[in-house]
Amino acid sequence: EAGVTQFPSHSVIEKGQTVTLRCDPISGHDNLYWYRRVMGKEIKFLLHFVKESKQDESGMPNNRFLAERTGGTYSTLKVQPAELEDSGVYFCASSQDQGGGYTFGSGTRLTVV
Amino acid sequence: DQQVKQNSPSLSVQEGRISILNCDYTNSMFDYFLWYKKYPAEGPTFLISISSIKDKNEDGRFTVFLNKSAKHLSLHIVPSQPGDSAVYFCAASLYGYNAGNMLTFGGGTRLMVKP
Repeated sequence: EAGVTQFPSHSVIEKGQTVTLRCDPISGHDNLYWYRRVMGKEIKFLLHFVKESKQDESGMPNNRFLAERTGGTYSTLKVQPAELEDSGVYFCASSQDQGGGYTFGSGTRLTVV
Repeated sequence: DQQVKQNSPSLSVQEGRISILNCDYTNSMFDYFLWYKKYPAEGPTFLISISSIKDKNEDGRFTVFLNKSAKHLSLHIVPSQPGDSAVYFCAASLYGYNAGNMLTFGGGTRLMVKP
C-alpha cells in the first residue's frame, strides 16, 4: 500500500506570507495527525482528525494555524501569516485505529525567512 | 515542560556491540511507550513498543525495558549494525494502544554505529 504522502517536501517563504502543507494519508485510515519538529528538538503534537472531524487540536500553537480535512481524505495545514518561529519539519501521520504505532510521512521542511 | 526526555543527544557504538538508548518520563499516567527510528529526510518509523503492564518486550535485535518506578525506559540493540545509524525517538501515550491519540516525544538520540 502507498504510504503517507506529504507535499511539498520543502518550502521557503518570507515572513508574513502564507503556506499550505498537504498530507495524503494511507487510504482507508480514518485517523490523521499533524506533528512538527522545531530546530531539531522533540516532535510535538499539533492535532488529530478522525475522518473530517477534529478530535484533538490542543497542540495547535495559535490561530495562525488552520487545519482542514474536507471529506475525510487528505488534509491541509495552512500557516497565515508565517512567522520565523514557524520554521521546522511538519510531519503528518495516519492510523487505522487510534493506536500509537501509526505511519508517518516524510515531512515538509518549512523555512520562514 | 518536557514530559519525555532523552538526555543523550548522541551515542557512538562499534559495530557488533550493544547500543543502549535511554529515555526518562515525568508523567506517571503514561501507560504505553514506543520507540521510533528516523533516517534523514524521512519520517519516523515505528520500531518497538511496550505496555506499562510489562517490563520487557523483545523483537529480534531490539529489546525495550521499562522501569515504572524509576519512570525510565531503554532500548537495547544487539548486535548493533551500521544500518542502525539513525535518530531514535522515545514516545509515550496516555491512553494505551487501542485508544491512544497524542504521542509525547523525547528530543531524540542520534546513534552512530561505526564499522
